[in-house]
Amino acid sequence: DADVTQTPRNRITKTGKRIMLECSQTKGHDRMYWYRQDPGLGLRLIYYSFDVKDINKGEISDGYSVSRQAQAKFSLSLESAIPNQTALYFCATTGGAADTQYFGPGTRLTVL
Amino acid sequence: AQSVTQLDSQVPVFEEAPVELRCNYSSSVSVYLFWYVQYPNQGLQLLLKYLSGSTLVKGINGFEAEFNKSQTSFHLRKPSVHISDTAEYFCAVRGFVDKFYFGSGTKLNVKP
Repeated sequence: DADVTQTPRNRITKTGKRIMLECSQTKGHDRMYWYRQDPGLGLRLIYYSFDVKDINKGEISDGYSVSRQAQAKFSLSLESAIPNQTALYFCATTGGAADTQYFGPGTRLTVL
Repeated sequence: AQSVTQLDSQVPVFEEAPVELRCNYSSSVSVYLFWYVQYPNQGLQLLLKYLSGSTLVKGINGFEAEFNKSQTSFHLRKPSVHISDTAEYFCAVRGFVDKFYFGSGTKLNVKP
């Protein structure tokens, strides 16, 4: 089984709709992250969390919110989706100071 | 603040030729450096990482990278590429407060 899972894998929605993307990890790590990937821009950090009570904004948090329901679960919400939020979204987790990031398979979101 | 620059957005190369993908970073503190690979329709996988010690780091699939502190570079190399190496490659820095900063990516296109 994958260490990091994301649901849904693909979603098409309309402008103004509320969308939730979910992420679960079985690595037992405290640190979890949400990124979006756009062609030519690499990965940009939306939100990150170091434990259930510690949530921080990344560089592009406007229009997004998150919820850390448990150590293993970190959800990303778009309160009112807009077309320029069409992107590939990745969840990731990391362990200790020298650890890498472990990525989920991604969610492809299209906002019409 | 940290940042990562990947100078080449696309690198075409013939099969069995050598390749170098360039990465430069900026940071005022010690960093950990990573290279990730993303195959089509997949998440990111770790290729290799530099934490400390030897400046030449070997990774999976025959890739290696050299950390050069004076030039703030971490270029990725492979002496002979295969068609299966066609993918997008991301350089990343893990900086202060366990945040990761990614470059914009380099698409490696290996031609027969």
